[in-house]
Amino acid sequence: GAGVSQSPSNKVTEKGKDVELRCDPISGHTALYWYRQSLGQGLEFLIYFQGNSAPDKSGLPSDRFSAERTGGSVSTLTIQRTQQEDSAVYLCASSLATSKGREQFFGPGTRLTVL
Amino acid sequence: AQSVAQPEDQVNVAEGNPLTVKCTYSVSGNPYLFWYVQYPNRGLQFLLKYITGDNLVKGSYGFEAEFNKSQTSFHLKKPSALVSDSALYFCAVRDMASNTGKLIFGQGTTLQVKP
Repeated sequence: GAGVSQSPSNKVTEKGKDVELRCDPISGHTALYWYRQSLGQGLEFLIYFQGNSAPDKSGLPSDRFSAERTGGSVSTLTIQRTQQEDSAVYLCASSLATSKGREQFFGPGTRLTVL
Repeated sequence: AQSVAQPEDQVNVAEGNPLTVKCTYSVSGNPYLFWYVQYPNRGLQFLLKYITGDNLVKGSYGFEAEFNKSQTSFHLKKPSALVSDSALYFCAVRDMASNTGKLIFGQGTTLQVKP
């Protein structure tokens, strides 16, 4: 079956512009996560969705970052007024549930470059 | 605070030799531990996990890991390395302070297997 997909695979933008990153999780996976992978910070958690709600937004680095999920499926991460420090690979992951240590399945990521 | 440490930035082994990638953790309570592998320009692929039970867990591609509670370690091992095992390896622990299932990752270890 299809895995987690993300689009675009690469995004180059100018400082100050807004960007939207999309994630299509595995069908039926209720839990969805966004992580950020950068050279200086490693892999960091950003936000967690259970269904359409986001009970944990603790990893979002500033109020320029927001995310939503609709229909219990597709999620969009939006970064407003991008800064150079936002340059990173943004990874989306999904899992069947959060109980019993279920593994997360990751998408290929979106590489964001802010010029 | 919960954390994961991968003390080696890079591990070099010759093809056919055994390999070990080290991981230690710090969490309250019983940990849920994971290993993921990342090939260039790809997302993370799940290798194996420890939730409970036998301390030696077997995973994909011939990898295994040993959970050692007294040493708070979860080292990744393989009896005979392949050149194709060369990649970036991440150890992760589930954040046990929340019920979201989010993962806390180590900094990653680059495995280089030479022919």
